[in-house]
Amino acid sequence: SQTIHQWPATLVQPVGSPLSLECTVEGTSNPNLYWYRQAAGRGLQLLFYSVGIGQISSEVPQNLSASRPQDRQFILSSKKLLLSDSGFYLCAWNPGFTDTQYFGPGTRLTVL
Amino acid sequence: AQSVTQLDSQVPVFEEAPVELRCNYSSSVSVYLFWYVQYPNQGLQLLLKYLSGSTLVKGINGFEAEFNKSQTSFHLRKPSVHISDTAEYFCAVGNAGGTSYGKLTFGQGTILTVHP
Repeated sequence: SQTIHQWPATLVQPVGSPLSLECTVEGTSNPNLYWYRQAAGRGLQLLFYSVGIGQISSEVPQNLSASRPQDRQFILSSKKLLLSDSGFYLCAWNPGFTDTQYFGPGTRLTVL
Repeated sequence: AQSVTQLDSQVPVFEEAPVELRCNYSSSVSVYLFWYVQYPNQGLQLLLKYLSGSTLVKGINGFEAEFNKSQTSFHLRKPSVHISDTAEYFCAVGNAGGTSYGKLTFGQGTILTVHP
């Protein structure tokens, strides 16, 4: 069966520090991968998606970037965090263009 | 472009009462529809999905939803809720035309609170 992992689970970082969040999927190959941010009291905002290694599409211009160095690995990064980057970051995958998205457990990021 | 509106941001209900969480969508193409549930500090878990076929969809934990194309709605229902159903529920729409790379558009969420 397929599983999706995210780490770390929680992170507290100072403003201006770098960020790296990792997401990996097991039990499948060539998944579509997605990064979402969920701010307090708001819905899910799609940040990036990827349909293959090295292929990244950005949905919202911002202080973040994403990379997909391996088929089942998706990384969310920032060079300098802002207070507004605080939130709950969710990674998701789907096996094909028109199927269900399956979510990871999330990373709670607090920028102070 | 697609959009999803969840008509109630919060729904309080007593245990064993029925509940309906409302979802309307807007899309110029055929859609897939989903309901997800999120418990505090956890990821989203799929409750049910409509891809095609019967418009009444049954999901996990006793939930069901009905796709109404004419009213562009996909309301979620449960005949008798439990305390453990307290969570946030998200409606989402995807493009059935296969040209959107599996992306989903989510509603803002409905917080269901079940009181004893």
